[in-house]
Amino acid sequence: GAVVSQHPSWVICKSGTSVKIECRSLDFQATTMFWYRQFPKQSLMLMATSNEGSKATYEQGVEKDKFLINHASLTLSTLTVTSAHPEDSSFYICSAETLAGYEQYFGPGTRLTVT
Amino acid sequence: GNSVTQMEGPVTLSEEAFLTINCTYTATGYPSLFWYVQYPGEGLQLLLKATKADDKGSNKGFEATYRKETTSFHLEKGSVQVSDSAVYFCALSPRGNQAGTALIFGKGTTLSVSS
Repeated sequence: GAVVSQHPSWVICKSGTSVKIECRSLDFQATTMFWYRQFPKQSLMLMATSNEGSKATYEQGVEKDKFLINHASLTLSTLTVTSAHPEDSSFYICSAETLAGYEQYFGPGTRLTVT
Repeated sequence: GNSVTQMEGPVTLSEEAFLTINCTYTATGYPSLFWYVQYPGEGLQLLLKATKADDKGSNKGFEATYRKETTSFHLEKGSVQVSDSAVYFCALSPRGNQAGTALIFGKGTTLSVSS
């Protein structure tokens, strides 16, 4: 089946630094990838939609200058949390959409802790 | 707007008990409906889906039927196992099977099965 990986799986960083999270579709191409954020014991909230070769579309309330998304190829999208603060600590999950059938497959998530 | 409401958890059951997790939705048009499962420390896995009214999705003993008249997609399993302990998310794709459509999730229901 289709596999989506995320790297790193967990990261701890200091306040004020930047962190990059990678989302890769390993065995299929994905024109569209989605980035979600999940708080403890809560649902997934869509942050942005990432399309290969174009700018990401951010949901209302998500700061595009803080959460930089790059989708440079059909198999890779990156989310960079810039100038991280403790309130950015969360579980970030990406999903990738197949070109045929528009199925979405989810990555295992990245747990970010900002100290 | 589009939304998903699922029953509050946690749901605590003994092994071999019958499981129902209620899910209702609000959507315009013809959404596709999904159930995802998240095991501790892992990402989301698609459990089953239905793309049109009266469709029944099934997988690993779990079933859910797309009921347009009651706008529901309740998850059921006849005999749960300890290994079914996880968080279950009901979700919809508001534009059905169209490309570039992010999923809208319910808040999740935690299932705990004891032996």
